[in-house]
Amino acid sequence: GAGVSQSPRYKVAKRGQDVALRCDPISGHVSLFWYQQALGQGPEFLTYFQNEAQLDKSGLPSDRFFAERPEGSVSTLKIQRTQQEDSAVYLCASSPGTRVQNEQFFGPGTRLTVL
Amino acid sequence: GENVEQHPSTLSVQEGDSAVIKCTYSDSASNYFPWYKQELGKRPQLIIDIRSNVGEKKDQRIAVTLNKTAKHFSLHITETQPEDSAVYFCAAQANQAGTALIFGKGTTLSVSS
Repeated sequence: GAGVSQSPRYKVAKRGQDVALRCDPISGHVSLFWYQQALGQGPEFLTYFQNEAQLDKSGLPSDRFFAERPEGSVSTLKIQRTQQEDSAVYLCASSPGTRVQNEQFFGPGTRLTVL
Repeated sequence: GENVEQHPSTLSVQEGDSAVIKCTYSDSASNYFPWYKQELGKRPQLIIDIRSNVGEKKDQRIAVTLNKTAKHFSLHITETQPEDSAVYFCAAQANQAGTALIFGKGTTLSVSS
C-alpha cells in the first residue's frame, strides 16, 4: 500500500513568513511523529500524536511551532515567523499502534529553507 | 533524558570487507534499538532492530549486537557492496507508549569497488 507522504517536498520561505507542512500517514496508523533533521545530523523528535491527541510536544523548539492532527489522520506542522535556524528537513513518521517497539515508517520529508 | 552517541561518523571500506558501527546510550529504561539506513535525499528506512531481551540478531549480511550492561549496541555488515553506501543511524527508545526514537548523529558509510 501507499507509504507516508509529505507535502510540499521543498519549501523556501522568507524570514518572518509562516509555513505549513503536511503529513499523510499510512492509513490506519494510530501513532504519528514529527522529527526535525538538520544537515548532517540525525532526526530530532518534535512531537507525538496518538490518533488526534497530541500526547508529547516536548521537542518543539519554541512557541512558533505548532502541530495538529484534528481527525486522527492527516497532520500539519505549522511554523510561524520562520527564522533561518528553522531551515532543516522535517520528517513525519507513523506506526500502527501505541505499543512501543512498533516500526516507525518515515515519509520523504519536507526540506525547508528560510532565507 | 536519553542520549545516543554513534561512532565513527564516517567509514570507508573496500567491497567485500566488513563494516562495524557502534552506539552507546544513557537511559537504562531503553529497550528497543532500531537501525535506519538513509540514502542521499531519501527517507530513513528500518534495516534491523533488536529488543532488550535479545543479545544478537541477524538478517542475511546484517547483524546487530546488544550489551545492556555496558549500554552499547553495534551494527555489523558483512561482505559489503557499493549499494550499502549510505548514512546509517542508530536509535534508542524507552519502554513507554508513544516514546519517540532518540537518534545518533549518523555514520556515512562508503563502499568502494
